[in-house]
Amino acid sequence: GAVVSQHPSWVICKSGTSVKIECRSLDFQATTMFWYRQFPKQSLMLMATSNEGSKATYEQGVEKDKFLINHASLTLSTLTVTSAHPEDSSFYICSAGPGTRDNEQFFGPGTRLTVL
Amino acid sequence: GEDVEQSLFLSVREGDSSVINCTYTDSSSTYLYWYKQEPGAGLQLLTYIFSNMDMKQDQRLTVLLNKKDKHLSLRIADTQTGDSAIYFCAYTDSWGKLQFGAGTQVVVTP
Repeated sequence: GAVVSQHPSWVICKSGTSVKIECRSLDFQATTMFWYRQFPKQSLMLMATSNEGSKATYEQGVEKDKFLINHASLTLSTLTVTSAHPEDSSFYICSAGPGTRDNEQFFGPGTRLTVL
Repeated sequence: GEDVEQSLFLSVREGDSSVINCTYTDSSSTYLYWYKQEPGAGLQLLTYIFSNMDMKQDQRLTVLLNKKDKHLSLRIADTQTGDSAIYFCAYTDSWGKLQFGAGTQVVVTP
């Protein structure tokens, strides 16, 4: 159990376009979903936390108008990178919770975004 | 993050034991975790330990926790080539956010 999927697994887009990434919890209801960004050979950086039906809480330094997060249901959250630029190229990972242990999170497989 | 420190690289021969170390600053977490990340993939929860335990063994994995020194380690017995990956230690802080170390890249050589 506790499977989280992401779609697409990779995407290449032109600079200035918007890209939507979906995160789904397949076999449980996720009241909270997290979005992370990971640069090569670095740790995960938390971008925002979203609770179903309410606005996302963004970490300091993350532009909420650039990274739009929607958590409209207990099984789906979306991250839209608006007007993407090459510096937005990264690996985006979502996680969903809670699990049974101490706010445990279950991670998706990640989405590789490349902006040309 | 800076609250969790790990060595960045470990090279180990196939069949030997690997030991990955982690130190942390926040002692409030109930659980501490070890995650594995293979190239181009998300994070896979390997194992966890409850904060009132000293040791947990799960097949080839042994987790040791020294709360006094805030030191966590992961031992992989009989390391295999499939164990080559990046390993992150982590805990959930008082805000419910996972705090990760920078990750230790483990390379298993034949």
